Amino acid sequence: DIVMTQSPDSLPVSLGERATINCKSSQSVLSSSNSKNYLVWYQQKPGQPPKLLIYWASTRESGVPDRFSGSGSGTDFTLTISSLQAEDVALYYCQQYYSSPFTFGGGTKVEIK
Amino acid sequence: EVQLVQSGGGVVRPGGSLRLSCVASGFTFDYYGMSWVRQAPGRGLEWVSGINWNGESTDYADSVKGRFTISRDNAKNSLYLQMNSLRADDTAFYYCARRLRYCSGGSCYSVYFFDYWGQGTLVTVSS
Repeated sequence: DIVMTQSPDSLPVSLGERATINCKSSQSVLSSSNSKNYLVWYQQKPGQPPKLLIYWASTRESGVPDRFSGSGSGTDFTLTISSLQAEDVALYYCQQYYSSPFTFGGGTKVEIK
Repeated sequence: EVQLVQSGGGVVRPGGSLRLSCVASGFTFDYYGMSWVRQAPGRGLEWVSGINWNGESTDYADSVKGRFTISRDNAKNSLYLQMNSLRADDTAFYYCARRLRYCSGGSCYSVYFFDYWGQGTLVTVSS
C-alpha cells in the first residue's frame, strides 16, 4: 500500500499570510504513461463532506479560488494557500489515486493564529 | 445540480448487517464510477470500495474485503453498500462519492478521486 504522510498536523497562520501543507507518498505516484501525478487535495469543514480542491497535483478544480495552488511531483507535494482567509479554516487531506488501495494522508488542520 | 443523497445508516450490533443507499441526480449516472469512503468520528478518511460504471468491476479495501459488497442499479440511479459481519471499528460516517471521469484522445477514463460527495451517513456498531 502507498502510505501518505502529511505535515504538519496543525498549522496556525495569521489572516493574509501564506499556509503551506506538505504531503509525502511512500512511493512515486507519477505515471510514466501520461506524465501525470495521481495526487489530489481536499478541504473538509466540520460537519461537511470533503470538497475537491486540486487534482493531478496542480490542477485547480473549477470554482476554487486561485489563492489555492498545488505543486510537486513523484513523492513530494505541497498545497499552498497564498493569503489565508477566515473561510479557509478547515482540515486538508491529500490522497493518491495511483494504485489501490487509494490512500489518504492523515490530514492537516489549518487555523487562525 | 449534481446531488448524491444517502440513506440507511444507524446503530447495529457487532456481527450484524446494514445496507447503505445513495441516490444520484443531476448527471448521467451510468457514465460514472462510484465509491464509498468512510471517516471514523474525529479521524481521517479511508477509501472503502469502488465500482465501475456498469457494475462489472469492483474493488475493496482489505479491511472490508469479504464482508462488504458494493453494487449499483443504473435504472434507479442508485449505489449501494451491503455491510455484513460488522465490527466496532466499522463505526464511521460513510460517504458515497462520484469518481472523476475525464476524456482524452477520444477515450474516457474513470479515476479514483472524487468530485462530488454525499452528505454522509453515520453507522454505529455497538452492543
